[in-house]
Amino acid sequence: GQQLNQSPQSMFIQEGEDVSMNCTSSSIFNTWLWYKQDPGEGPVLLIALYKAGELTSNGRLTAQFGITRKDSFLNISASIPSDVGIYFCAGSGGSNYKLTFGKGTLLTVNP
Amino acid sequence: GAGVSQSPSNKVTEKGKDVELRCDPISGHTALYWYRQRLGQGLEFLIYFQGNSAPDKSGLPSDRFSAERTGESVSTLTIQRTQQEDSAVYLCASSFGLAQNIQYFGAGTRLSVL
Repeated sequence: GQQLNQSPQSMFIQEGEDVSMNCTSSSIFNTWLWYKQDPGEGPVLLIALYKAGELTSNGRLTAQFGITRKDSFLNISASIPSDVGIYFCAGSGGSNYKLTFGKGTLLTVNP
Repeated sequence: GAGVSQSPSNKVTEKGKDVELRCDPISGHTALYWYRQRLGQGLEFLIYFQGNSAPDKSGLPSDRFSAERTGESVSTLTIQRTQQEDSAVYLCASSFGLAQNIQYFGAGTRLSVL
């Protein structure tokens, strides 16, 4: 089956620093999604990407859909304490509704 | 309701018992999904319901797992003869219309099998 490799597994940064995380896939995806999960909550969608090469921003977040359709990255600029949480990438291929998730990146921001 | 609602939020059970988990999707959302999230892992797709169509059960890990949905409303996920390996957070999501990859998640049910 499809697998996503997400890195890094965890990050410890100082408030104000920029952050970058990425996902790679063994197969092609038609859609890439980035979610954030806070403790005790379900994942919340941050950014959705639909075209190879697409670069999309949402406030301090920027994500790109790789040209090969097998990778994506998420950047967070000028991090703040509320950015703390687990960030997941997810992709969908032939079955639009069946999402494959990475294992997540745990982000800790020191004030 | 405003969001996807799941109950109970926590469930502790003994090995071998059956459990039922409930999901109330966002009103008007036609599609409903169940995922399993093991500790430190990403979400694993379990099952997908779309309207009155036959569900996609391809992610269910064994025949001890089953799910039902009545029309476009509530869904229940049932795990029979629970095992310790079933311990996880079970997340439900719903989506609207053709935007099936834009899924809205509930807070999940944390299942602990002793």
